[in-house]
Amino acid sequence: AQSVTQLDSHVSVSEGTPVLLRCNYSSSYSPSLFWYVQHPNKGLQLLLKYTSAATLVKGINGFEAEFKKSETSFHLTKPSAHMSDAAEYFCVVSDGGYSTLTFGKGTMLLVSP
Amino acid sequence: GAGVSQSPSNKVTEKGKDVELRCDPISGHTALYWYRQSLGQGLEFLIYFQGNSAPDKSGLPSDRFSAERTGGSVSTLTIQRTQQEDSAVYLCASSLKGWNTEAFFGQGTRLTVV
Repeated sequence: AQSVTQLDSHVSVSEGTPVLLRCNYSSSYSPSLFWYVQHPNKGLQLLLKYTSAATLVKGINGFEAEFKKSETSFHLTKPSAHMSDAAEYFCVVSDGGYSTLTFGKGTMLLVSP
Repeated sequence: GAGVSQSPSNKVTEKGKDVELRCDPISGHTALYWYRQSLGQGLEFLIYFQGNSAPDKSGLPSDRFSAERTGGSVSTLTIQRTQQEDSAVYLCASSLKGWNTEAFFGQGTRLTVV
């Protein structure tokens, strides 16, 4: 069985400061992991994905995430927040094979000037 | 089309009526997903189609919900005898091969049951 826990429902940062959105997962197999972003009144967009290649994954808009198997974590980071990063972020896990995508509850990122 | 297309974009229906929501996936994508997004509830998995395999219906909340995918392409989600708690945004996504390939989401259908 697969599951994902996003540890914070809301994260507030100031523009120009680092962003950390935390995600822990549970998987019976070697999972694929994704981060999606949803801007207000917009569709879901893939930020980055991990599929058993390099453990440090770089995505769009300066975001990256590190897969840590020992910690079952896949935290999303960005060195310097921008106002346009304000959105809801979803961590997603898939067990593999004939397996659906399981979404976390989401983390709302708020960026203040 | 270039992306996943869902119709209608908005639907208001009376309690007890049946509704059909349509999803046109990206051409050639074998996997198709339906999710429901309610305020403060995240994305709730409903059903998953992968190629010619039997669909994973484990997320359907009741027997009032059903979905089909014709010819491995277009999918229709049907909700019978709608209830107010069915009000949500229904999202469809498709991916090339499922599990480790990117899922592309449509803009969703906002269903309001009055």
